[in-house]
Formats: sequence, C-alpha cells, structure tokens
Amino acid sequence: AQSVTQPDIHITVSEGASLELRCNYSYGATPYLFWYVQSPGQGLQLLLKYFSGDTLVQGIKGFEAEFKRSQSSFNLRKPSVHWSDAAEYFCVEGRSNDYKLSFGAGTTVTVRA
Amino acid sequence: DGGITQSPKYLFRKEGQNVTLSCEQNLNHDAMYWYRQDPGQGLRLIYYSQIVNDFQKGDIAEGYSVSREKKESFPLTVTSAQKNPTAFYLCASTISGGLNEKLFFGSGTQLSVL
Repeated sequence: AQSVTQPDIHITVSEGASLELRCNYSYGATPYLFWYVQSPGQGLQLLLKYFSGDTLVQGIKGFEAEFKRSQSSFNLRKPSVHWSDAAEYFCVEGRSNDYKLSFGAGTTVTVRA
Repeated sequence: DGGITQSPKYLFRKEGQNVTLSCEQNLNHDAMYWYRQDPGQGLRLIYYSQIVNDFQKGDIAEGYSVSREKKESFPLTVTSAQKNPTAFYLCASTISGGLNEKLFFGSGTQLSVL
C-alpha cells in the first residue's frame, strides 16, 4: 500500500477556475512533504515543499499548499488555473528517520477552455 | 553542467535475461533513488541509498538489485525474477543533511521486454 494517497485520479477544471488537489500522508511524525508537477513529455518539477513552520506554503506558478496535521493532509491549491497547468501532479512524503521518499499515484489535471 | 545521466535511453530485455540500467551523477549528492513509473501508478520506489556502500529496499524491490560502490554511481539491475519489467525507470538524487531539498532526476530509461 502506498504511504501517500491522492484520492483523485483525474480532475477537469475550466480555465480561470480554482483548483484543489488532495493529498493524504501516513507518516506518524512530521513528514517532509512536496508537490511535483510533470507536464506532458517533460521531467518532474518541484512546485513547493514543507517540513516545519508556517503550515501554508507558497510555491512557484501561483500554487500553494496547506499542511493539516489533524487531517494528515497536504492539499495543493491554485486560485485561477491557466491552460499551461494541464499536467500530472504528484504528492511526495519524506520520512525524517531515513531518506525514503514516496510518491503518490498522481492526479492528472485537464484544463478546458 | 551538473546533473544526472541515465543510460541507455531505451533498453530491451529478453526472457530470462538480467539487464543493468546506469545512473551517474556529478552533483556530489549523497542520496540516490530508483523509481519505476507506470501509467496510473505514479512513481514507485524500488531502492534508495543514503551513502556509499549502503542501500535500502523501497516499496517494490523484488526482482531488482542495486549497488553503491561509488558516490556518483547507483546502477540498477533488473533480474529475470522481475516478471513485469516493462516500465519507465527514473533515477534521482538529493543532497544529504536532510530531506528538505528537491530531487534531481535523470531523463529516464524505457525498458521493454522482447
């Protein structure tokens, strides 16, 4: 079983609408959390990361994510989606007791005009 | 320029054959990783290594083996025991001293079975 769960396999959103991608982690202690994006035919790019401190994290391309320990979640949000945001998004959990980095299964985002 | 080099880009395996995928980095990173990417399953961790001469199994290590004799090299062998090896394989690395840093990825190797 994967330690990182992304419940939504595919999301379709209209351009200009808001986007939220869900991520749940399983590590009992404070995890390292990341969001990566993979555009079609491209490599993986880091959007943002969290380990400690402010639970609302700002990233590149207008994305943000909020760490909620009570819900074991690290959801990714963007207020207004652009067509170029169509891609696959991966949530990643790192564990402080070793260097294991586990990816979720990914959420594919389609943007319609 | 620093980076991660994976070779070959495409690899074909015959039944019962072991094949080795190469991963070399000149970033001076201590930690290295092998992932397998299949459609709909994201990246699944095969093996990872924090330092030279040490490595740990990931979530899907069966049928694979690795070595870490040099800091810059982390080759992956897909053995004949791996019954479904067709996939895209990604090697990655990150600096030591904590996990709060991004992963650097190679360009990948597509492995197919003949």
